[in-house]
Amino acid sequence: KAGVTQTPRYLIKTRGQQVTLSCSPISGHRSVSWYQQTPGQGLQFLFEYFSETQRNKGNFPGRFSGRQFSNSRSEMNVSTLELGDSALYLCASSLEGAKETQYFGPGTRLLVL
Amino acid sequence: AQSVTQLGSHVSVSEGALVLLRCNYSSSVPPYLFWYVQYPNQGLQLLLKYTTGATLVKGINGFEAEFKKSETSFHLTKPSAHMSDAAEYFCAGRVSNDYKLSFGAGTTVTVRA
Repeated sequence: KAGVTQTPRYLIKTRGQQVTLSCSPISGHRSVSWYQQTPGQGLQFLFEYFSETQRNKGNFPGRFSGRQFSNSRSEMNVSTLELGDSALYLCASSLEGAKETQYFGPGTRLLVL
Repeated sequence: AQSVTQLGSHVSVSEGALVLLRCNYSSSVPPYLFWYVQYPNQGLQLLLKYTTGATLVKGINGFEAEFKKSETSFHLTKPSAHMSDAAEYFCAGRVSNDYKLSFGAGTTVTVRA
């Protein structure tokens, strides 16, 4: 069974631009969570989607948003990029019957210049 | 506040020596606890998990962890370190009513030949 896939793997953007990251969960997993990883703040929860609905949200500004499609694929969008948004963005998926166990993708490395 | 704390940001061991990584938690619900490993430029790989039942949990690559409720701890051990164990290790937990994971700050393991 294929793991969680994320595209693109690397991105370079400039301040003020927006970016969209994509995540395809493991087949059969309907819950998708997003995390931001930075050297200073570590791993921080962004949001979680299940059945196309946001079920949980972390403490990030409204510039960070996401959505989930009917096939469970998820996208996250960051608008008006800031230098501090440079990070590794990780997506994780889980089975609804075991949603505490999350399986992570390889991440998207975003660099904001 | 509910949290997961890793003691020691860096651990250095000799090849063949015991690896011990410390994790403590604070939880308002029965916790689910996890250890993940991250190699450079990769996502997080699940090493092992504790949800319910046996308190000594065995994982991949020879790692194991013991859940001790009285000490609110979930330390990770491996009897004999291998060079391939050099990586960053994260303790994580579901420690509140929602299903988002709280992560420790991570412990970087280096293995000396």
